[in-house]
Amino acid sequence: DTAVSQTPKYLVTQMGNDKSIKCEQNLGHDTMYWYKQDSKKFLKIMFSYNNKELIINETVPNRFSPKSPDKAHLNLHINSLELGDSAVYFCASTAPGNIQYFGAGTRLSVL
Amino acid sequence: RKEVEQDPGPFNVPEGATVAFNCTYSNSASQSFFWYRQDCRKEPKLLMSVYSSGNEDGRFTAQLNRASQYISLLIRDSKLSDSATYLCVVTFKAAGNKLTFGGGTRVLVKP
Repeated sequence: DTAVSQTPKYLVTQMGNDKSIKCEQNLGHDTMYWYKQDSKKFLKIMFSYNNKELIINETVPNRFSPKSPDKAHLNLHINSLELGDSAVYFCASTAPGNIQYFGAGTRLSVL
Repeated sequence: RKEVEQDPGPFNVPEGATVAFNCTYSNSASQSFFWYRQDCRKEPKLLMSVYSSGNEDGRFTAQLNRASQYISLLIRDSKLSDSATYLCVVTFKAAGNKLTFGGGTRVLVKP
């Protein structure tokens, strides 16, 4: 029973398309994150939500829009995809003490 | 200077040997420190938190040096399965305990 599950695992799409990635956690945590890991392997925070409320928004283009319908779900919608958006996107759920439980990642390739 | 810096490696380690590497951070007000492990094409997973007094978990020892602003990870009796990228993570209280990841240190344990 996966604690943090992301779908899809792989996403290949054309420039200009709109796509969504979904994330769900069954750990009962209040806080969830979206991270981007680029080709150089740097992991950067994009957004953080606490109990459906946006608390961190790290200078991400407004083509990226997170949505949290409830505290167990944090989805990411991306409009007008660009080549530079190609990366691995990780969702994470945060336990007390700031411990991150990551999903398996979504590997996005924009052609 | 980056907020959190790591030697990217790779550290090529003979099986059974000891390897150690550091992570430096720039903000002296940093609050919490962690080591995560990331296997190739997988998500990061918590290896251990780093406490002020240093801590050990089996073959892994983590230490914090606040005066020189670095944390270290030492792996004793390296196993082939220790091959991975080790990510240093630091939180800054002033930034709402936001997590900042280092770029990772790659370790390759060879027979």
